[in-house]
Amino acid sequence: DTGVSQDPRHKITKRGQNVTFRCDPISEHNRLYWYRQTLGQGPEFLTYFQNEAQLEKSRLLSDRFSAERPKGSFSTLEIQRTEQGDSAMYLCASSPRDRVYQGYTFGSGTRLTVV
Amino acid sequence: DAKTTQPNSMESNEEEPVHLPCNHSTISGTDYIHWYRQLPSQGPEYVIHGLTSNVNNRMASLAIAEDRKSSTLILHRATLRDAAVYYCILTKNSGGSNYKLTFGKGTLLTVNP
Repeated sequence: DTGVSQDPRHKITKRGQNVTFRCDPISEHNRLYWYRQTLGQGPEFLTYFQNEAQLEKSRLLSDRFSAERPKGSFSTLEIQRTEQGDSAMYLCASSPRDRVYQGYTFGSGTRLTVV
Repeated sequence: DAKTTQPNSMESNEEEPVHLPCNHSTISGTDYIHWYRQLPSQGPEYVIHGLTSNVNNRMASLAIAEDRKSSTLILHRATLRDAAVYYCILTKNSGGSNYKLTFGKGTLLTVNP
């Protein structure tokens, strides 16, 4: 069990550019979540997948944001036309569905800086 | 959704017990109480959860008030590695079906050597 992997760890981009982040969950986990965390705040829920189906999206996820989880394995989060307000830590987490609850497993996040 | 209230910060000394409080006066009968912590530059980490009874695991203990309007996370012997932000979170179920975690600002625990 290698945990939840996120790539890249850091990303600096110019305003208006598109960025894509990748999350590799724990292999036997069928649930995957994306969160965003700004400085001094707790993480905020963005979206949730069960297998390949995206079952819930937060209002925080504007039209510029899109998330996918093809084949129910890894997931990508794309931000189009980045804005300075998108600067944050983007966290991915996974969990199994049918086992006794053991909590989410979070990755270490991708820190995005929009300049 | 029921809200939780935690102190912004707390301090402890190494090898002493730490009691982190959480108030959730509007908790409903089906809400579970979860605790996560976030070490610097890391994602959050599950600590413990419970419904009505006190719970113990290898990381901590969770003491839940009889009326469930408050709970306390207990670290029995704080170490420097326990310095983190601790989040108290309520959810509608324990995880068998869809749910999401709603984080507040948490309590920043400082552990002094």
